[in-house]
Amino acid sequence: DQQVKQNSPSLSVQEGRISILNCDYTNSMFDYFLWYKKYPAEGPTFLISISSIKDKNEDGRFTVFLNKSAKHLSLHIVPSQPGDSAVYFCAASKNTDKLIFGTGTRLQVFP
Amino acid sequence: DTAVSQTPKYLVTQMGNDKSIKCEQNLGHDTMYWYKQDSKKFLKIMFSYNNKELIINETVPNRFSPKSPDKAHLNLHINSLELGDSAVYFCASSQVGGGAEAFFGQGTRLTVV
Repeated sequence: DQQVKQNSPSLSVQEGRISILNCDYTNSMFDYFLWYKKYPAEGPTFLISISSIKDKNEDGRFTVFLNKSAKHLSLHIVPSQPGDSAVYFCAASKNTDKLIFGTGTRLQVFP
Repeated sequence: DTAVSQTPKYLVTQMGNDKSIKCEQNLGHDTMYWYKQDSKKFLKIMFSYNNKELIINETVPNRFSPKSPDKAHLNLHINSLELGDSAVYFCASSQVGGGAEAFFGQGTRLTVV
């Protein structure tokens, strides 16, 4: 039972454009959401997070949006850069319990 | 200066062997984890330790035994390795419970032949 889903396994975006990565979840008890970025042969690195009491959090080029009614969150990267090419995982937790990860979306930013 | 380091990075071994993966964090975190990323790229938690105490055990076979000698170290010992154990194992740590931002090690790619 996959509680966190990333339905797009891959995304290709031109440099300078916006990248939008999507994530859906099924458990309405989740109260904290995170995005991680992973390069090949490296561990995931934390990117940005959002609490369920908010609907938007911004950090430089990265913005996470949360739509609780739709149980959906998205990560916007603008402008996209070639160095952003990586696999992006969304994750969720409830009451500071364990992180539940999605299956990841591979983002490729081309010149 | 690596925050979460795990060794070895690659491990190839035969079925039936026993192997260990070591993990150390220098972030002063109280909580450490082991995650497994299988061939389908699912990243799933296996164990969580808080200040040397087991907090989460996600119905992992008892061939897997974590050991935490102190809060900066969490090692993973695997007995009687099976082909299905082949995966990438990630160690991680966080300041508070599992819902906080976790810092991951580089991973150990285990291949059982």
